[in-house]
Amino acid sequence: AQKVTQAQTEISVVEKEDVTLDCVYETRDTTYYLFWYKQPPSGELVFLIRRNSFDEQNEISGRYSWNFQKSTSSFNFTITASQVVDSAVYFCALRSTGANNLFFGTGTRLTVIP
Amino acid sequence: KAGVTQTPRYLIKTRGQQVTLSCSPISGHRSVSWYQQTPGQGLQFLFEYFSETQRNKGNFPGRFSGRQFSNSRSEMNVSTLELGDSALYLCASSEGLAGINEQFFGPGTRLTVL
Repeated sequence: AQKVTQAQTEISVVEKEDVTLDCVYETRDTTYYLFWYKQPPSGELVFLIRRNSFDEQNEISGRYSWNFQKSTSSFNFTITASQVVDSAVYFCALRSTGANNLFFGTGTRLTVIP
Repeated sequence: KAGVTQTPRYLIKTRGQQVTLSCSPISGHRSVSWYQQTPGQGLQFLFEYFSETQRNKGNFPGRFSGRQFSNSRSEMNVSTLELGDSALYLCASSEGLAGINEQFFGPGTRLTVL
């Protein structure tokens, strides 16, 4: 069974604070992909990152960074020096090789207060 | 390249009616997947079409159906609408099957059933 848990339903931070969004996944497959998507108020899901199960190297892209730990089945997302434009709902998703679709977490609504 | 487009963006229907939503994938993409997003159930996979064939189906009743045309454009149809069908319907396209290729999402069609 595939499952993604985003325990944080809503987070509010003040602009310029750092914030970490948690994601815990479950799968029996050894090969899988993890994703983060951003959904602004317009509704469109914007791809942020894809990570495969064999690559545990952390990644940094500007103010965004991701920490993938297979030992704890977690794929956490950190925004450094948050900005108002970061306000959105963020989804973590899982796709195993045994499934042809994405399994999404319930999302975390991030509000950055100016 | 133009992104994934969905029409219409907003739709209001009444219970018992049927509705057809349209999705045009990114040029060259052969796979189209459909997702339903509701506040209660989150993002759920409906089905995927590849080369005019349904390749994968989520756990939705037979009232939800779809098809794909030779130009990869896809439509989904919901018959005998129920109040619970009110949702944001997202379409995603990928070059190959969604299980092994990155998906790009459209802005969605927001369906309201009265």
